[in-house]
Amino acid sequence: DSGVTQTPKHLITATGQRVTLRCSPRSGDLSVYWYQQSLDQGLQFLIQYYNGEERAKGNILERFSAQQFPDLHSELNLSSLELGDSALYFCASSADGTGGTEAFFGQGTRLTVV
Amino acid sequence: EDQVTQSPEALRLQEGESSSLNCSYTVSGLRGLFWYRQDPGKGPEFLFTLYSAGEEKEKERLKATLTKKESFLHITAPKPEDSATYLCAFYSGGGADGLTFGKGTHLIIQP
Repeated sequence: DSGVTQTPKHLITATGQRVTLRCSPRSGDLSVYWYQQSLDQGLQFLIQYYNGEERAKGNILERFSAQQFPDLHSELNLSSLELGDSALYFCASSADGTGGTEAFFGQGTRLTVV
Repeated sequence: EDQVTQSPEALRLQEGESSSLNCSYTVSGLRGLFWYRQDPGKGPEFLFTLYSAGEEKEKERLKATLTKKESFLHITAPKPEDSATYLCAFYSGGGADGLTFGKGTHLIIQP
């Protein structure tokens, strides 16, 4: 158990809908990262938050957004969903704000868009 | 463009048969090379971080090494429970603070 908690584990929704994925980082970790994993693209970095503020952006679509709350949990919002958004979404956390320290991953949310 | 390539894509070994997985990278300024293990339907599990060429780290049957262009994950006398996908990733700190992952090596250890 990595100590990172993601909910829900599975989500099935229709095209055009909006969903919210939730992540609780390990106790004491200030950074939260979101990744998308699909069969053809592998693990892709989406966005990072550090202590409540956006720190870095990767390959995140404009239809996607995230935030980190004062209690350090984070939410990833996906809107106007398309079939191609079906993937595993992982949250990871690390102690500091640099990407050079080990990050610990949650078990992921499997999103299926139908 | 910074990138990472893992080989082979898949590897099937007999229990006890040692081998190595390769991770080749092209990055302008490497600030960390990471190895993760991922079981089906689960999140990646952290194994090692290497920071400079010549560095080595070991954990049970696994040993990771780093050169200026490659990293190897050596598996000695593997057991069936070592079956998983092994992911290599780098951190360059060049703007996006996330890791850049390879596609992984799918390892199967047969009893």
